[in-house]
This record gives sequence, structure tokens and C-alpha cells, in this order.
Amino acid sequence: GAGVSQSPSNKVTEKGKDVELRCDPISGHTALYWYRQRLGQGLEFLIYFQGNSAPDKSGLPSDRFSAERTGESVSTLTIQRTQQEDSAVYLCASSLGLGGGAIAYEQFFGPGTRLTVL
Amino acid sequence: RKEVEQDPGPFNVPEGATVAFNCTYSNSASQSFFWYRQDCRKEPKLLMSVYSSGNEDGRFTAQLNRASQYISLLIRDSKLSDSATYLCVVRPMDSNYQLIWGAGTKLIIKP
Repeated sequence: GAGVSQSPSNKVTEKGKDVELRCDPISGHTALYWYRQRLGQGLEFLIYFQGNSAPDKSGLPSDRFSAERTGESVSTLTIQRTQQEDSAVYLCASSLGLGGGAIAYEQFFGPGTRLTVL
Repeated sequence: RKEVEQDPGPFNVPEGATVAFNCTYSNSASQSFFWYRQDCRKEPKLLMSVYSSGNEDGRFTAQLNRASQYISLLIRDSKLSDSATYLCVVRPMDSNYQLIWGAGTKLIIKP
């Protein structure tokens, strides 16, 4: 079946512009995650959506970052007034998020959006 | 102290050798453990879950030591295609469906 998809795959923008990144999770997955990965670094958690619960926004680095999710489907991550330090790969993942066992927690990743802020 | 710690490497290993990575976690109530693999400029993908009794998948063996709070990954008869970054991942109790990610250990297999 279809995996997690993200768009655009690459985005080059000028400092100060807003950008919107999109994630389509695997159908039926209730949990959705956004991560940031700078070159040569590990994953940095940004935000987590679980079903209809309030999202965990504890990883968002500043109020320039926001994310929304419509039900249990598409999510968008918005970065306002982009800065050069926002340049990174933004990865979206989804997991079943139901029941127990390893299968409920396994996160499947999209290919990421590579953001470059000039 | 980071919640999940890994030696960043890189580990430079000749093809055919055996290599082992360790990962330590700080939350003693952690419930689930995983190893993910991330190839250069690609997304992470699940390599294997780690079970309390230890588990093996072909050339890969994962072990969990709850008393010492570490997990390990052993790769036997390493192949060039094993070159990647290996991410240790932990699910703390009461974390809902969130996971805590280590920064990864880079492995380079040389011919």
C-alpha cells in the first residue's frame, strides 16, 4: 500500500518568507509526527498528533512554527518568516497509534522535505 | 544527560567483520525498544524491534539489558550495504505513542 508522502520534496525560499510543508500519512494511522533533521544531526522532535487529542507541541522551536492536522489525514507544517537556521530536512512519520505491541508504535517515515533558506 | 545516548562513531569496519553498538537510556520505565537504520540522505526505516529475551534476524542480533538500561545491536558478517547510521529508539512508559530517538551511530563498512 501507499506509504507516507510529503510535498514538496525540495523547497528553496528567501529569508523572511513563509513556507508550508505537507504530509499525507498512511491510511488508518492515527498518530502523526513531525521531525527536523539538520545536516549530519539526529532527529529533532517538533510536534505529535494523536487522533482527535490536542497535539503535543512541546518540540516546536519558536512561535514561527505551527502545524495542523485535519482529522486523521493530511497535516501541514507552516514556518513563518523563515530564517537561515530553519534550513533542514523536515520529516513526517505516522504510526498506527492503536492498541499495544511494537506494531502500534513503529513509525513509518516519508521521504522528507529539504528546506533551504537563502 | 540525554534520554537516549549512542556513540556517534563513525565505526570503520572491514567487510565480513562483526560489529556491535550499544545504546543507553535514562528512563528505567521504558517499555519498547527499536533499532532503525538511516541511509545517507534518506528517511529512517525500522531495522528491528528489541524484545526482552533478545532477538535475531539473519545477521542482526538485538539484546536488551533492563538492569543496566542498555540495548545492543550486533551485526555479523558485515556487508558494504550495511553502511548507514543506526538509530536507537526507546518508548518510555506513559509516552502515548511517542518515541525518543538517539542521535545515531554511523557505520562505514570498507572493502
